[in-house]
Amino acid sequence: RKEVEQDPGPFNVPEGATVAFNCTYSNSASQSFFWYRQDCRKEPKLLMSVYSSGNEDGRFTAQLNRASQYISLLIRDSKLSDSATYLCVVNEDGQNFVFGPGTRLSVLP
Amino acid sequence: DAGVIQSPRHEVTEMGQEVTLRCKPISGHNSLFWYRQTMMRGLELLIYFNNNVPIDDSGMPEDRFSAKMPNASFSTLKIQPSEPRDSAVYFCASSYTGAETQYFGPGTRLLVL
Repeated sequence: RKEVEQDPGPFNVPEGATVAFNCTYSNSASQSFFWYRQDCRKEPKLLMSVYSSGNEDGRFTAQLNRASQYISLLIRDSKLSDSATYLCVVNEDGQNFVFGPGTRLSVLP
Repeated sequence: DAGVIQSPRHEVTEMGQEVTLRCKPISGHNSLFWYRQTMMRGLELLIYFNNNVPIDDSGMPEDRFSAKMPNASFSTLKIQPSEPRDSAVYFCASSYTGAETQYFGPGTRLLVL
């Protein structure tokens, strides 16, 4: 079983739609959690950290469920520029970052 | 500020040749990571260094791969001899221990013919 799992998609949604991604992780001792965004032929970049209490950054909301070992990302009012691959990342020991395979999102006009 | 710098950005080589990828982390960062990304396997951690010392190299595929970090501002990933299955994008990333964010370089696109 892979350490971090995501639905690869693609998720094809119209502009303005709300879309949600989930991610599950296997190591219950994992310490911190993140969502990264990767544009085509570019490097991954941090989108947001995921806190136990849930956190919001504009149109993006991230939530963590430690009991069920999953993380979610909600994007409201999606824009064309949101089209990218979204990588779920788990930090297991304070140093080692484990990346999920990514979920591809296409926002259509 | 300059981000993580990688060179070369693109490399095309023939099977059996030696390939050396280079990385300069962000100044002040003390952790450095080498990743490989392919369509089939996604982003895989190859090795990471903390304070120039290799901490975990369990992701290094085999003996053909080696990585060094002679000082805080430079690291190399070497493949010798290269094989077509090594074709991938190789990313270097750096962070400060305890920080939440890794910063990635632009990557080296390697094609082994």
